[in-house]
Amino acid sequence: DTEVTQTPKHLVMGMTNKKSLKCEQHMGHRAMYWYKQKAKKPPELMFVYSYEKLSINESVPSRFSPECPNSSLLNLHLHALQPEDSALYLCASSPTDSYGYTFGSGTRLTVV
Amino acid sequence: GQNIDQPTEMTATEGAIVQINCTYQTSGFNGLFWYQQHAGEAPTFLSYNVLDGLEEKGRFSSFLSRSKGYSYLLLKELQMKDSASYLCAVNDYKLSFGAGTTVTVRA
Repeated sequence: DTEVTQTPKHLVMGMTNKKSLKCEQHMGHRAMYWYKQKAKKPPELMFVYSYEKLSINESVPSRFSPECPNSSLLNLHLHALQPEDSALYLCASSPTDSYGYTFGSGTRLTVV
Repeated sequence: GQNIDQPTEMTATEGAIVQINCTYQTSGFNGLFWYQQHAGEAPTFLSYNVLDGLEEKGRFSSFLSRSKGYSYLLLKELQMKDSASYLCAVNDYKLSFGAGTTVTVRA
């Protein structure tokens, strides 16, 4: 298995909703990442997990809450989002912190 | 901080060659990646350079000069399906992306 699987592919949520994005990989990668990408902009790093511990938080608002239950799974919990949070959310993994990033197909999030 | 520059747009004809340049100034360096991204889709890996020189992979080649903070991606024998955004990304403690170059291939 050489893929990073993200669910759901599309999500529409209200500003008072609570939802979660899921990411799964079975490549034995020990680093996992969340990126946010707005239209016609490059991906921007949000969080890095290394060996299931949060190692980088790029000053992301607390309405985004990451979780890494085990080495194969990465979640992003969403609460009280704003319309400007609408974007493509990409998950990625790598065998170390240095090489071989694999991206999932993303979750397109719309906040209404 | 990090500064990664690449041209915004390039247009070329089917069958031609296009070279996308990327210059970078980063606090650290642990490799440079090139990704292809079609609209609305995730980035897909094209190439990785960590040492100076040219890496060739079929129709795509990538070059790196660490002393000059410079890389390029060379796309040969362009096809219509190569129309996409091409992202240069530098890895220090994290992967940071340039703004991307939109390549349009015309018949």
